[in-house]
Amino acid sequence: DQQVKQNSPSLSVQEGRISILNCDYTNSMFDYFLWYKKYPAEGPTFLISISSIKDKNEDGRFTVFLNKSAKHLSLHIVPSQPGDSAVYFCAATGTASKLTFGTGTRLQVTL
Amino acid sequence: GAGVSQSPSNKVTEKGKDVELRCDPISGHTALYWYRQSLGQGLEFLIYFQGNSAPDKSGLPSDRFSAERTGGSVSTLTIQRTQQEDSAVYLCASSLPGLAVEQYFGPGTRLTVT
Repeated sequence: DQQVKQNSPSLSVQEGRISILNCDYTNSMFDYFLWYKKYPAEGPTFLISISSIKDKNEDGRFTVFLNKSAKHLSLHIVPSQPGDSAVYFCAATGTASKLTFGTGTRLQVTL
Repeated sequence: GAGVSQSPSNKVTEKGKDVELRCDPISGHTALYWYRQSLGQGLEFLIYFQGNSAPDKSGLPSDRFSAERTGGSVSTLTIQRTQQEDSAVYLCASSLPGLAVEQYFGPGTRLTVT
């Protein structure tokens, strides 16, 4: 039972354009959501998070949007840069301890 | 400062052998987590240690898997009688107390069971 779903395994975006990565969840007990970025042969690194009491959180080029009624969140990267090319994991938690991760979306930013 | 370290970085073992994977968390992080990522899958939670509390073992897939954390620092994940389906990248993460959601990951151990 996949409680956190990232239905797009890959995404290609031109440098300078907006990248939009999507994530859906099924567990209504989740109240905190995170995005992690992973380069090959490295562990995931925390990128940005959002609490369920908010619908938007922004940090520089990265913005996360949460639509609780649709159980959907998205990560916007603008402008996209070649260094953003990585696998992005959406994660959720309801206990502030263990995270439930999606399967990841591989983002390729092309020149 | 030093991040989370894991050893070995790669491990190839024969089916039926036991393996031990090690994690050194960030100093001062009282929470420690083990996850694994199988091919084409997301990160799957295995076990969580928080201070002196009893660990949350709810994610361990079978009784062949066990983990311990000595002295509240280093952790060892042990897989007994390895099977081919155990092949995965095993990731360790740690976090500060009260900030468990912002977990810092190590580079992982890639386990291949032949």
